[in-house]
Amino acid sequence: DAKTTQPTSMDCAEGRAANLPCNHSTISGNEYVYWYRQIHSQGPQYIIHGLKNNETNEMASLIITEDRKSSTLILPHATLRDTAVYYCIVTNNAGNMLTFGGGTRLMVKP
Amino acid sequence: KAGVTQTPRYLIKTRGQQVTLSCSPISGHRSVSWYQQTPGQGLQFLFEYFSETQRNKGNFPGRFSGRQFSNSRSEMNVSTLELGDSALYLCASSLILLTSGGHNEQFFGPGTRLTVL
Repeated sequence: DAKTTQPTSMDCAEGRAANLPCNHSTISGNEYVYWYRQIHSQGPQYIIHGLKNNETNEMASLIITEDRKSSTLILPHATLRDTAVYYCIVTNNAGNMLTFGGGTRLMVKP
Repeated sequence: KAGVTQTPRYLIKTRGQQVTLSCSPISGHRSVSWYQQTPGQGLQFLFEYFSETQRNKGNFPGRFSGRQFSNSRSEMNVSTLELGDSALYLCASSLILLTSGGHNEQFFGPGTRLTVL
């Protein structure tokens, strides 16, 4: 699976959009981009995934660049409860075994 | 419906001992996967059980083993504990086998934090 690079930490003001970047320059054609988050003392939680097209669900939006070498997770109106570590993962469609790196620690501040 | 549950939540053992962790998946889910999470290595896949059989395995030594029962509940065992086994052990359940292809959302439990002294 391709390696991903994320900033170690980010801050966001409550109510504002949180934009979390991820670089995956070695991604191959059949690999998906997944985002999970882990709130302190809880297990990881699936947020969204995509292949080529931008995706949106009730939690977030995922913007994937045309060359697929990077993506951005957008939380449109961050709340204090969105404070968590966000993981960007690239995984082959044939196998959903997950390997998380360090992720981005998002701190939403009042 | 109830989420994934893991017991115990916290455990302290000494080197050389063995430990058994338990996971109850979401009702109707047949796949149970186990992961190890440490600050240095991040989250790493251990193995997956589906229909009482180990179907996929990560790169961990044979000291790590597991099993699944007919009700899909799963246990993970670590024998001859080492200091480096101290970690958060997470269980995740899903409807279908991880290697079935296509999106397969995994639902994680809260984890068991194991400390080896």
